Amino acid sequence: QSVLTQPPSVSGAPGQRVTISCTGSSSNIGAGFDVHWYQQVPGTAPKLLIYGNNNRPSGVPDRFSGSKSGTSASLAITGLQAEDEADYYCHSYDSSLSGSKVFGGGTKLTVL
Amino acid sequence: QLQLQESGPGLVKPSETLSLTCSVSGVSISSISYYWGWVRQPPGKGLEWIGSIHYSGTTYYNPSLKSRVSISLDTSKNHFSLKVNSITAADTAVYYCARESLEMATVWYFDLWGRGTLVTVSS
Repeated sequence: QSVLTQPPSVSGAPGQRVTISCTGSSSNIGAGFDVHWYQQVPGTAPKLLIYGNNNRPSGVPDRFSGSKSGTSASLAITGLQAEDEADYYCHSYDSSLSGSKVFGGGTKLTVL
Repeated sequence: QLQLQESGPGLVKPSETLSLTCSVSGVSISSISYYWGWVRQPPGKGLEWIGSIHYSGTTYYNPSLKSRVSISLDTSKNHFSLKVNSITAADTAVYYCARESLEMATVWYFDLWGRGTLVTVSS
């Protein structure tokens, strides 16, 4: 069971907007620790999508955005495209586990 | 070209020690700007951080694996390594090595990943 909770799956039609939540607690996101997001196409390595809550690495389209509030963070994808179908993971730090980097359980995005 | 590449046996027997190496090209692992880490992913499951090491020698390990894991680096070969002892079937996973950065953030993040290597634990 992950310290960071994500919905197992979300879906949307091409062109739509979807959001993926990442819910933590007062020992991780709620303590002010940054949240990062990764995209993983099946069979490939994860790829950094958002870092420092809302920063996009070079090459990541601005259709992807991140936000954080309280004990939760969200990844938003606008103008959904077929190529966005992948697994998405949030990542942060938890101070209650002797200092541990933690991932969410992952969310499978299906483009209908 | 900036690249990380894992190498090691694809099959390990239970109770033995798993050893993997991550060869780094295009950047020096002696850079003080980065940590170097290992993440694993059991088949069909999510990501799990294993541990990280800095050029200074500072290491951090997942508390759930700490008693069985060690990470080291070899600056002469520009690579870093992972050892996991007392292996069981639960350690079967794709193992990724990754570079960690702290640029514009307060928590280290994995900005560059290797392609991963599948390690199966079986007799």
